[in-house]
Amino acid sequence: GQSLEQPSEVTAVEGAIVQMNCTYQTSGFYGLSWYQQHDGGAPTFLSYNALDGLEETGRFSSFLSRSDSYGYLLLQELQMKDSASYFCVVRSGNTPLVFGKGTRLSVIA
Amino acid sequence: GAGVSQSPSNKVTEKGKDVELRCDPISGHTALYWYRQSLGQGLEFLIYFQGNSAPDKSGLPSDRFSAERTGGSVSTLTIQRTQQEDSAVYLCASSSTGASGNTIYFGEGSWLTVV
Repeated sequence: GQSLEQPSEVTAVEGAIVQMNCTYQTSGFYGLSWYQQHDGGAPTFLSYNALDGLEETGRFSSFLSRSDSYGYLLLQELQMKDSASYFCVVRSGNTPLVFGKGTRLSVIA
Repeated sequence: GAGVSQSPSNKVTEKGKDVELRCDPISGHTALYWYRQSLGQGLEFLIYFQGNSAPDKSGLPSDRFSAERTGGSVSTLTIQRTQQEDSAVYLCASSSTGASGNTIYFGEGSWLTVV
């Protein structure tokens, strides 16, 4: 089967940097995605890593280590609007995408 | 359409009644997913359609739940004899194949309340 572990909550200060971790167990791993979901909204795609290393998109970066079955999402220059839930998602072969339980990020002034 | 469309957006039903939730995926997307999310919780996989392959129903919580996808496009999720624990938002998502299939696009969800 597949499983993902994420911390349930993280609090960070506006303007700071926050890292949200994800560890996974799966067979036939293809890649790791990250989705953002604001309260009452639908999840939206942030990033995808198929290879080891760091992918950067503006203030958001995502990292993957396939050998460690580990990834993280890094948010820089935090803004209040970044308060949301962040889900890591595993893609394995033709199986459905499996979502972690998500990390709820609270950005405080 | 431009995005994934779901209907109804909100549904209140009495315990024991059947409900149907509809999903219209992005045109051309071959993969379609149904997930369920209870308040403050993660996404629970329900069912997955990929092209003409047999659907992956491994996430359906009981035989009261079923789904079909007609003509490779619109999908309907049916919940029979609804129970209060079925109250949740039901999210539909679609994706294309190949590398771009790494991104799935969600609809706004159907919020179901069973009273």
